[in-house]
Amino acid sequence: KQEVTQIPAALSVPEGENLVLNCSFTDSAIYNLQWFRQDPGKGLTSLLLIQSSQREQTSGRLNASLDKSSGRSTLYIAASQPGDSATYLCAVVSSNTGKLIFGQGTTLQVKP
Amino acid sequence: GAGVSQSPSNKVTEKGKDVELRCDPISGHTALYWYRQSLGQGLEFLIYFQGNSAPDKSGLPSDRFSAERTGGSVSTLTIQRTQQEDSAVYLCASSLAFGNNQPQHFGDGTRLSIL
Repeated sequence: KQEVTQIPAALSVPEGENLVLNCSFTDSAIYNLQWFRQDPGKGLTSLLLIQSSQREQTSGRLNASLDKSSGRSTLYIAASQPGDSATYLCAVVSSNTGKLIFGQGTTLQVKP
Repeated sequence: GAGVSQSPSNKVTEKGKDVELRCDPISGHTALYWYRQSLGQGLEFLIYFQGNSAPDKSGLPSDRFSAERTGGSVSTLTIQRTQQEDSAVYLCASSLAFGNNQPQHFGDGTRLSIL
Protein backbone atom coordinates (compact mmCIF):
# COMPACT_ATOMS: atom_id res chain seq x y z
CA LYS A 1 0.00 0.00 0.00
CA GLN A 2 1.41 3.37 -1.04
CA GLU A 3 2.15 5.74 1.84
CA VAL A 4 3.32 9.33 1.49
CA THR A 5 5.11 11.13 4.31
CA GLN A 6 6.03 14.79 4.57
CA ILE A 7 8.60 16.28 6.88
CA PRO A 8 8.47 18.64 8.67
CA ALA A 9 4.79 18.98 9.56
CA ALA A 10 5.28 22.69 10.20
CA LEU A 11 7.98 25.20 9.41
CA SER A 12 8.47 28.87 10.28
CA VAL A 13 11.16 30.92 8.58
CA PRO A 14 12.04 34.61 8.22
CA GLU A 15 11.37 36.28 4.90
CA GLY A 16 14.12 35.85 2.32
CA GLU A 17 15.29 32.42 3.42
CA ASN A 18 15.66 29.52 1.01
CA LEU A 19 13.92 26.39 2.27
CA VAL A 20 13.35 22.75 1.44
CA LEU A 21 10.25 20.66 2.04
CA ASN A 22 10.59 16.89 2.00
CA CYS A 23 8.32 14.16 0.74
CA SER A 24 8.87 10.40 0.76
CA PHE A 25 6.80 7.55 -0.65
CA THR A 26 6.99 3.81 -0.06
CA ASP A 27 6.17 2.40 -3.52
CA SER A 28 8.33 3.55 -6.44
CA ALA A 29 5.70 2.42 -9.00
CA ILE A 30 4.33 5.89 -9.62
CA TYR A 31 2.95 7.67 -12.66
CA ASN A 32 3.94 11.10 -11.43
CA LEU A 33 4.39 13.22 -8.34
CA GLN A 34 2.68 16.53 -7.76
CA TRP A 35 3.23 19.35 -5.32
CA PHE A 36 0.18 21.39 -4.30
CA ARG A 37 -0.41 24.49 -2.26
CA GLN A 38 -3.48 24.92 -0.06
CA ASP A 39 -4.48 28.23 1.48
CA PRO A 40 -6.86 28.22 4.50
CA GLY A 41 -10.44 27.51 3.46
CA LYS A 42 -9.44 26.96 -0.14
CA GLY A 43 -8.91 24.07 -2.50
CA LEU A 44 -5.57 22.88 -3.80
CA THR A 45 -3.48 24.69 -6.38
CA SER A 46 -1.15 22.54 -8.46
CA LEU A 47 2.39 23.92 -8.30
CA LEU A 48 4.54 21.37 -10.09
CA LEU A 49 4.07 17.96 -11.67
CA ILE A 50 7.05 15.67 -12.19
CA GLN A 51 6.56 12.68 -14.46
CA SER A 52 8.13 9.40 -13.35
CA SER A 53 10.78 9.70 -16.07
CA GLN A 54 11.82 13.19 -14.99
CA ARG A 55 14.24 14.31 -12.29
CA GLU A 56 13.03 17.84 -11.63
CA GLN A 57 10.67 20.64 -12.58
CA THR A 58 11.03 24.37 -12.07
CA SER A 59 8.52 27.19 -11.92
CA GLY A 60 9.70 30.62 -10.87
CA ARG A 61 11.15 30.40 -7.37
CA LEU A 62 10.05 26.79 -7.00
CA ASN A 63 12.07 23.73 -7.88
CA ALA A 64 10.92 20.17 -7.29
CA SER A 65 13.12 17.12 -7.59
CA LEU A 66 12.24 13.46 -7.82
CA ASP A 67 14.37 10.43 -6.97
CA LYS A 68 12.04 7.56 -7.73
CA SER A 69 14.46 4.81 -6.75
CA SER A 70 14.84 6.15 -3.23
CA GLY A 71 11.20 7.25 -2.99
CA ARG A 72 11.95 10.91 -2.30
CA SER A 73 11.02 14.33 -3.56
CA THR A 74 11.97 17.79 -2.39
CA LEU A 75 10.35 21.16 -3.00
CA TYR A 76 12.85 24.00 -2.90
CA ILE A 77 11.52 27.53 -2.40
CA ALA A 78 14.00 30.30 -3.06
CA ALA A 79 13.90 33.72 -1.40
CA SER A 80 10.74 32.98 0.57
CA GLN A 81 8.04 35.65 0.90
CA PRO A 82 5.14 36.08 3.38
CA GLY A 83 2.79 35.25 0.49
CA ASP A 84 4.32 31.78 0.38
CA SER A 85 2.69 31.00 3.73
CA ALA A 86 0.36 28.04 3.14
CA THR A 87 0.18 24.28 3.48
CA TYR A 88 2.19 22.38 0.88
CA LEU A 89 1.01 18.92 -0.08
CA CYS A 90 2.90 16.23 -1.92
CA ALA A 91 0.95 13.56 -3.80
CA VAL A 92 1.82 10.60 -6.00
CA VAL A 93 -0.25 8.91 -8.67
CA SER A 94 0.17 5.18 -8.24
CA SER A 95 0.90 3.27 -11.46
CA ASN A 96 -1.18 0.38 -10.18
CA THR A 97 -4.35 2.23 -9.27
CA GLY A 98 -4.09 5.65 -10.93
CA LYS A 99 -5.15 7.21 -7.65
CA LEU A 100 -3.61 10.34 -6.16
CA ILE A 101 -2.23 9.55 -2.70
CA PHE A 102 -1.47 12.56 -0.50
CA GLY A 103 0.93 13.24 2.31
CA GLN A 104 -0.25 15.05 5.42
CA GLY A 105 1.30 18.32 4.29
CA THR A 106 3.82 20.84 5.60
CA THR A 107 2.40 24.09 6.96
CA LEU A 108 4.78 26.92 6.14
CA GLN A 109 4.83 30.32 7.78
CA VAL A 110 7.11 33.01 6.35
CA LYS A 111 7.50 35.90 8.75
CA PRO A 112 8.03 39.45 7.42
CA GLY B 1 -16.28 28.20 -16.19
CA ALA B 2 -12.63 28.92 -15.65
CA GLY B 3 -12.16 26.51 -12.79
CA VAL B 4 -13.78 23.68 -10.88
CA SER B 5 -16.90 24.90 -9.12
CA GLN B 6 -18.40 23.24 -6.05
CA SER B 7 -21.64 23.94 -4.28
CA PRO B 8 -22.65 24.60 -1.65
CA SER B 9 -19.47 26.05 -0.16
CA ASN B 10 -20.76 25.30 3.33
CA LYS B 11 -23.43 22.90 4.54
CA VAL B 12 -24.64 22.40 8.09
CA THR B 13 -27.17 19.66 8.67
CA GLU B 14 -28.54 17.44 11.39
CA LYS B 15 -27.39 13.89 11.91
CA GLY B 16 -29.51 11.45 9.95
CA LYS B 17 -30.32 13.81 7.08
CA ASP B 18 -29.25 13.21 3.49
CA VAL B 19 -26.96 15.70 1.74
CA GLU B 20 -26.04 16.24 -1.88
CA LEU B 21 -22.81 17.91 -2.93
CA ARG B 22 -22.28 19.21 -6.43
CA CYS B 23 -19.18 19.53 -8.61
CA ASP B 24 -18.94 21.32 -11.92
CA PRO B 25 -15.62 20.42 -13.57
CA ILE B 26 -13.57 22.42 -16.03
CA SER B 27 -15.16 22.24 -19.46
CA GLY B 28 -13.66 19.46 -21.56
CA HIS B 29 -12.17 17.55 -18.62
CA THR B 30 -13.16 13.90 -18.91
CA ALA B 31 -11.83 12.79 -15.53
CA LEU B 32 -13.41 13.89 -12.26
CA TYR B 33 -12.36 13.02 -8.71
CA TRP B 34 -13.85 13.31 -5.24
CA TYR B 35 -11.70 13.60 -2.10
CA ARG B 36 -12.43 14.08 1.57
CA GLN B 37 -10.24 16.18 3.84
CA SER B 38 -10.75 15.82 7.56
CA LEU B 39 -8.71 16.77 10.61
CA GLY B 40 -6.23 14.08 11.46
CA GLN B 41 -6.98 12.07 8.31
CA GLY B 42 -5.49 14.27 5.65
CA LEU B 43 -6.75 14.05 2.08
CA GLU B 44 -8.54 10.81 1.29
CA PHE B 45 -9.43 9.63 -2.23
CA LEU B 46 -13.09 8.64 -2.55
CA ILE B 47 -13.99 7.96 -6.17
CA TYR B 48 -13.17 8.97 -9.73
CA PHE B 49 -15.09 9.15 -12.98
CA GLN B 50 -13.93 8.56 -16.54
CA GLY B 51 -16.71 10.17 -18.46
CA ASN B 52 -19.86 9.01 -16.70
CA SER B 53 -18.35 5.76 -15.49
CA ALA B 54 -16.88 5.14 -12.03
CA PRO B 55 -14.60 2.08 -12.42
CA ASP B 56 -13.46 1.99 -8.81
CA LYS B 57 -15.78 2.75 -5.91
CA SER B 58 -13.64 1.10 -3.25
CA GLY B 59 -12.62 4.43 -1.73
CA LEU B 60 -16.15 5.30 -0.64
CA PRO B 61 -16.24 5.02 3.19
CA SER B 62 -19.57 3.20 3.42
CA ASP B 63 -22.69 2.28 1.46
CA ARG B 64 -24.23 5.55 2.64
CA PHE B 65 -22.00 7.30 0.12
CA SER B 66 -22.79 7.33 -3.59
CA ALA B 67 -21.79 9.45 -6.55
CA GLU B 68 -22.94 9.92 -10.07
CA ARG B 69 -21.97 11.92 -13.10
CA THR B 70 -24.22 12.72 -16.02
CA GLY B 71 -23.48 14.08 -19.46
CA GLY B 72 -19.76 13.77 -18.77
CA SER B 73 -19.94 16.98 -16.80
CA VAL B 74 -21.57 17.71 -13.42
CA SER B 75 -21.14 15.20 -10.62
CA THR B 76 -23.02 14.82 -7.37
CA LEU B 77 -21.82 13.11 -4.21
CA THR B 78 -24.68 11.98 -2.00
CA ILE B 79 -24.38 11.03 1.64
CA GLN B 80 -27.42 9.33 3.14
CA ARG B 81 -28.26 9.23 6.85
CA THR B 82 -25.34 11.48 7.71
CA GLN B 83 -23.23 10.78 10.78
CA GLN B 84 -21.02 13.14 12.75
CA GLU B 85 -17.90 11.44 11.41
CA ASP B 86 -18.94 12.56 7.92
CA SER B 87 -18.03 16.13 8.90
CA ALA B 88 -15.17 17.16 6.61
CA VAL B 89 -14.29 19.22 3.58
CA TYR B 90 -15.25 17.43 0.38
CA LEU B 91 -13.02 18.40 -2.54
CA CYS B 92 -13.63 17.79 -6.19
CA ALA B 93 -10.98 17.86 -8.94
CA SER B 94 -10.92 17.38 -12.67
CA SER B 95 -8.27 16.67 -15.28
CA LEU B 96 -8.16 16.36 -19.04
CA ALA B 97 -7.88 12.59 -18.82
CA PHE B 98 -7.43 9.88 -16.22
CA GLY B 99 -4.17 8.00 -15.81
CA ASN B 100 -2.34 10.56 -17.87
CA ASN B 101 0.32 13.03 -16.81
CA GLN B 102 -2.20 15.81 -16.50
CA PRO B 103 -2.46 17.82 -13.30
CA GLN B 104 -5.68 17.70 -11.31
CA HIS B 105 -7.41 21.02 -10.81
CA PHE B 106 -9.30 21.40 -7.55
CA GLY B 107 -12.37 23.30 -6.49
CA ASP B 108 -12.56 25.15 -3.19
CA GLY B 109 -14.53 22.34 -1.59
CA THR B 110 -17.73 21.97 0.39
CA ARG B 111 -17.34 22.22 4.15
CA LEU B 112 -19.85 19.79 5.64
CA SER B 113 -20.76 19.96 9.31
CA ILE B 114 -23.03 17.36 10.88
CA LEU B 115 -24.63 18.44 14.14
